[in-house]
Amino acid sequence: DAMVIQNPRYQVTQFGKPVTLSCSQTLNHNVMYWYQQKSSQAPKLLFHYYDKDFNNEADTPDNFQSRRPNTSFCFLDIRSPGLGDAAMYLCATSLTGQDSYEQYFGPGTRLTVT
Amino acid sequence: GQNIDQPTEMTATEGAIVQINCTYQTSGFNGLFWYQQHAGEAPTFLSYNVLDGLEEKGRFSSFLSRSKGYSYLLLKELQMKDSASYLCAVRDSNYQLIWGAGTKLIIKP
Repeated sequence: DAMVIQNPRYQVTQFGKPVTLSCSQTLNHNVMYWYQQKSSQAPKLLFHYYDKDFNNEADTPDNFQSRRPNTSFCFLDIRSPGLGDAAMYLCATSLTGQDSYEQYFGPGTRLTVT
Repeated sequence: GQNIDQPTEMTATEGAIVQINCTYQTSGFNGLFWYQQHAGEAPTFLSYNVLDGLEEKGRFSSFLSRSKGYSYLLLKELQMKDSASYLCAVRDSNYQLIWGAGTKLIIKP
């Protein structure tokens, strides 16, 4: 089945220790998104890629970086995680050109910072 | 600023009907989405409205009034598995999704 895969599902890191979250998709969608979601809050868009074009949200901290080496893969790097970065990180994809181009989400990575 | 408002929590009884409202103020409008999110899981797509009116999909229906900046999600014949958060999201003039914080729906037997 075509899908969005995120690894790992649970990640524990230490305060200040760099961490990388990964996302892959078999949907061949051209747009990929990274969201941060804290408990009982709306998903917050961090960045998105339109093909290879990177779009950073204005309020995304510099501590967060992203890479998209090819259509299928996207990475979220947190250079120096703080306690406030503990959250669920959601990767999503969509396909432009469709009427609705809804977003398809991966299962998420829950990040704990100790 | 851009804003999506939905009730924080609602409670309903198994087998009943519930309506979850969403009001929005956004920079432009290019469609409204409803997603379901079970605790600890990713959101899954439920419905999409871009024109005024009602879209029906099985037990779930979604309504949109663009002039009023208003939508609702109607869930019929509620089942225990419908206990989840329901998120309203609007695509603005830049084709970015503006998300509401979600409505936590609790179903009681």
